[in-house]
Amino acid sequence: EPEVTQTPSHQVTQMGQEVILRCVPISNHLYFYWYRQILGQKVEFLVSFYNNEISEKSEIFDDQFSVERPDGSNFTLKIRSTKLEDSAMYFCASSADSFNQPQHFGDGTRLSIL
Amino acid sequence: GENVEQHPSTLSVQEGDSAVIKCTYSDSASNYFPWYKQELGKRPQLIIDIRSNVGEKKDQRIAVTLNKTAKHFSLHITETQPEDSAVYFCAAGGYGAQKLVFGQGTRLTINP
Repeated sequence: EPEVTQTPSHQVTQMGQEVILRCVPISNHLYFYWYRQILGQKVEFLVSFYNNEISEKSEIFDDQFSVERPDGSNFTLKIRSTKLEDSAMYFCASSADSFNQPQHFGDGTRLSIL
Repeated sequence: GENVEQHPSTLSVQEGDSAVIKCTYSDSASNYFPWYKQELGKRPQLIIDIRSNVGEKKDQRIAVTLNKTAKHFSLHITETQPEDSAVYFCAAGGYGAQKLVFGQGTRLTINP
């Protein structure tokens, strides 16, 4: 069964540094998402992406965040200047289309900001 | 915006008994309601979903019911097994390239 893959599995970064989290969505999917989950809390939406542009973003997704699909397979989340409160598990997800198609999640990247 | 409330936050049942987890949502425009199971340190895994044109859906030991009028939906697990132990999240979504809004999660423990 095709899966969403994410790298790295764990990223440790100094506060103020830039970090890029990478995702390879399922190959025939058109909609891509980033979510985050602070330890022990619920999953929170960050951003959705379709046709090379952001479809929707949450209040969490401020100017420090950006997303990109640099080629036909990768989907990245960049945090420009990391803060301690950015420490969380970041999940990438993809779906075949937007009309209530299941979103499939990757294994996540655990981001630790020191 | 949409708000999803999930109860209970923890649930402990004897193996073989049933478990029920309930969620309410606030936005009547929501029309897609998935349930995810998350084991410790793992990805949320979709276990079942329901769309607003359906009142109930079943898949082996798992069923979901939806009451659009009351804006609540529930997950039912029958004949629970130890491997059902996990955190379960409900979510709500709407039309378009929509986000999913998740509930707070229910930690389900199946006691042998």
